[in-house]
Amino acid sequence: NAGVTQTPKFQVLKTGQSMTLQCAQDMNHNSMYWYRQDPGMGLRLIYYSASEGTTDKGEVPNGYNVSRLNKREFSLRLESAAPSQTSVYFCASSELVTGTYEQYFGPGTRLTVT
Amino acid sequence: EDQVTQSPEALRLQEGESSSLNCSYTVSGLRGLFWYRQDPGKGPEFLFTLYSAGEEKEKERLKATLTKKESFLHITAPKPEDSATYLCAVQPTGTASKLTFGTGTRLQVTL
Repeated sequence: NAGVTQTPKFQVLKTGQSMTLQCAQDMNHNSMYWYRQDPGMGLRLIYYSASEGTTDKGEVPNGYNVSRLNKREFSLRLESAAPSQTSVYFCASSELVTGTYEQYFGPGTRLTVT
Repeated sequence: EDQVTQSPEALRLQEGESSSLNCSYTVSGLRGLFWYRQDPGKGPEFLFTLYSAGEEKEKERLKATLTKKESFLHITAPKPEDSATYLCAVQPTGTASKLTFGTGTRLQVTL
């Protein structure tokens, strides 16, 4: 039982390049999320998917797109990377537990845009 | 607007020196408050969920408590392996599954 997995672990892009971050979970959770974490800013929600077939914007969606490929997989795409997107990206998944959603995180992707 | 403020930003303790971390929150209604531990270079690891004022939860040397305005993470007789960043997050009512995170308290426990 691997939990939440993310690929790649590290990536360096040049300004204007595109890439897709992959996320998969094996806990049969309905909800999945993409966050970015920057020093002094805390975790900020980019996009989330409450269930298969649905996606919604979070706090900082500009410059990103997502795809909920199936119940297990949720990908994040940067169409034209900018230096401001240098960050650590975390994927998470959750399921309803006693009225709340306890989120479980992957190990992260460290992205540098030059 | 929902807000979560954690203090102190950083805390250095000697092994065995107990202390508390604070998480103050402002939400229109609270569905749940979460504590996570994050080690350098890794993703946050879930610790506790608290649902209502007066609730307490314990795990090894950690105890989390909740009031209507804040939560405390008490660390009793810490060990060096407790060194990490501790994150607090709230799930407001009416927001489906979205969480609002604080910026964390970086804890260092020395021998």
